[in-house]
Amino acid sequence: SQQGEEDPQALSIQEGENATMNCSYKTSINNLQWYRQNSGRGLVHLILIRSNEREKHSGRLRVTLDTSKKSSSLLITASRAADTASYFCATPDSNYQLIWGAGTKLIIKP
Amino acid sequence: KAGVTQTPRYLIKTRGQQVTLSCSPISGHRSVSWYQQTPGQGLQFLFEYFSETQRNKGNFPGRFSGRQFSNSRSEMNVSTLELGDSALYLCASSRNREVYTEAFFGQGTRLTVV
Repeated sequence: SQQGEEDPQALSIQEGENATMNCSYKTSINNLQWYRQNSGRGLVHLILIRSNEREKHSGRLRVTLDTSKKSSSLLITASRAADTASYFCATPDSNYQLIWGAGTKLIIKP
Repeated sequence: KAGVTQTPRYLIKTRGQQVTLSCSPISGHRSVSWYQQTPGQGLQFLFEYFSETQRNKGNFPGRFSGRQFSNSRSEMNVSTLELGDSALYLCASSRNREVYTEAFFGQGTRLTVV
């Protein structure tokens, strides 16, 4: 089952611009994680934000979490061609199983 | 240190056959989870193994099974393959079972059923 929706489903921007992706979830969470998947390959963990945190940074990534709205956003600043990938949010359920969003496909145009 | 290794990377099988996929987790990781990814259904959880025991199972038919060995390596088996089983199968390992543990994924096995 999927935890929620990611928005937009696809995003195409010019290299150097910022990219923002959103994730909404349905149930209360302990943490929310963002992963990146390059075309048809494995997922790479990007960042984890705990439910008591509102914002977290890692390099060019900024993640925010709004538990009142059950939503999170991932901002990638100064995008590069190598950022072209699909981005997924995931939250662990009570059995530690990750429940995934549908993903946002990001295309960075040179 | 070596990442999660999945073998084989690609497989083509015929309907009705069975297939076994292998996953070697990161050294020291005891939890292995399997996921199926398809364009239509997205990422769906299959099962999780921890210390050789299945701890959690997703909503898949009994044709999908798995096991974990004492060295934490895991295999999943799909019997009586159907066309709809064509997917990318991903394995993820974690050090332990806790809610703040990140998952490390292998490159996946692309299974095509014809």
